[in-house]
Amino acid sequence: EDKVVQSPLSLVVHEGDTVTLNCSYEVTNFRSLLWYKQEKKAPTFLFMLTSSGIEKKSGRLSSILDKKELFSILNITATQTGDSAVYLCAVFMNTGFQKLVFGTGTRLLVSP
Amino acid sequence: GAVVSQHPSWVICKSGTSVKIECRSLDFQATTMFWYRQFPKKSLMLMATSNEGSKATYEQGVEKDKFLINHASLTLSTLTVTSAHPEDSSFYICSAVRGNYGYTFGSGTRLTVV
Repeated sequence: EDKVVQSPLSLVVHEGDTVTLNCSYEVTNFRSLLWYKQEKKAPTFLFMLTSSGIEKKSGRLSSILDKKELFSILNITATQTGDSAVYLCAVFMNTGFQKLVFGTGTRLLVSP
Repeated sequence: GAVVSQHPSWVICKSGTSVKIECRSLDFQATTMFWYRQFPKKSLMLMATSNEGSKATYEQGVEKDKFLINHASLTLSTLTVTSAHPEDSSFYICSAVRGNYGYTFGSGTRLTVV
């Protein structure tokens, strides 16, 4: 069974802290791993990772994929209250047809 | 950038009626679209994969006769919740695949069955 697991499930930090969110997966025919941020409605795209060891960076957010150990991390430095959201990890597979499976999400709360 | 339009944004219907939700890719052709359901404070649950010109592929536990999916063109997929019941009340989101460049989500539809 295809599985995407995120940890921690929830996290509370103070503004300015650095956080690391984890995503591990066991899937067939892995194509890529995606990170999303969900606040109130539909998730917004953050990163798509296809190759191992290449860090993707966008402002204070960065992410990297390890295809050997089957996990990815999402780092947020100098957190702000606006970073409070649910962060979703999803894995794109291609098993004859395309399939995207989400993890359970990590709920991040950044307190002032 | 790629835009996916989903409507209605919210709908209230009576038990026993059917509701159709549309998902359109506005500036690109989407051969594959996904339909998700989200329960409060939980992650998105993949319901089915909608492929243009062929039958949808449903995830285990999703009733295909209840959640009818039609992907009639490269820019439109529809999800029809048939004979809706209160337990079908949820947030439904579609997403469309744009080549190898990731996914774009619709804004979601809040369905309330009374």
